[in-house]
Amino acid sequence: AQTVTQSQPEMSVQEAETVTLSCTYDTSESDYYLFWYKQPPSRQMILVIRQEAYKQQNATENRFSVNFQKAAKSFSLKISDSQLGDAAMYFCAYNFGNEKLTFGTGTRLTIIP
Amino acid sequence: GAVVSQHPSRVICKSGTSVKIECRSLDFQATTMFWYRQFPKQSLMLMATSNEGSKATYEQGVEKDKFLINHASLTLSTLTVTSAHPEDSSFYICSARDPHTGNQPQHFGDGTRLSIL
Repeated sequence: AQTVTQSQPEMSVQEAETVTLSCTYDTSESDYYLFWYKQPPSRQMILVIRQEAYKQQNATENRFSVNFQKAAKSFSLKISDSQLGDAAMYFCAYNFGNEKLTFGTGTRLTIIP
Repeated sequence: GAVVSQHPSRVICKSGTSVKIECRSLDFQATTMFWYRQFPKQSLMLMATSNEGSKATYEQGVEKDKFLINHASLTLSTLTVTSAHPEDSSFYICSARDPHTGNQPQHFGDGTRLSIL
């Protein structure tokens, strides 16, 4: 079974600085999707960024970028120029085909003003 | 972009009451929807996969008679918590796949906070 591991229960970063959230996963598949979701206190699940495994280029969405290392099965999220509104729980997730989405345990990100 | 509407957002009711939560895909047809439960400070736990026109597929340990799922149309799935008790209090969230975008990503509703007194 696929598993997703987020080894950092909590992280904090100074406003305007850069922070990296780590995520590793386990799969025997070669073509799959990886996602980072943000869950603020309102508890909405907001898609931050996604990566298709067959694409070598790392996905980027404005201040958010990933470091996708397929061989190492690593999918870290980098947030640049951190803002107060970035404070939230961040979940890494894996999906293959029409199977269920597998979530990590989450990382709580605190932004220090 | 694709929108999933979940209703109600908050329910407070007495023990023994049955509660129905609706999940609608507003601008796409979803043959598959998912129901999750989330305890405080934990990740989302998949309860069941809702399939239009057929029976839902429940995850291990989820009571199908307790959590009734109906997916009668391509835009609506409902989760009914039957005879709810305080231990059923939780945050429930649904998601749906849009086949026109290759079923990726899943689109989430805003969730329902259920409190059983």
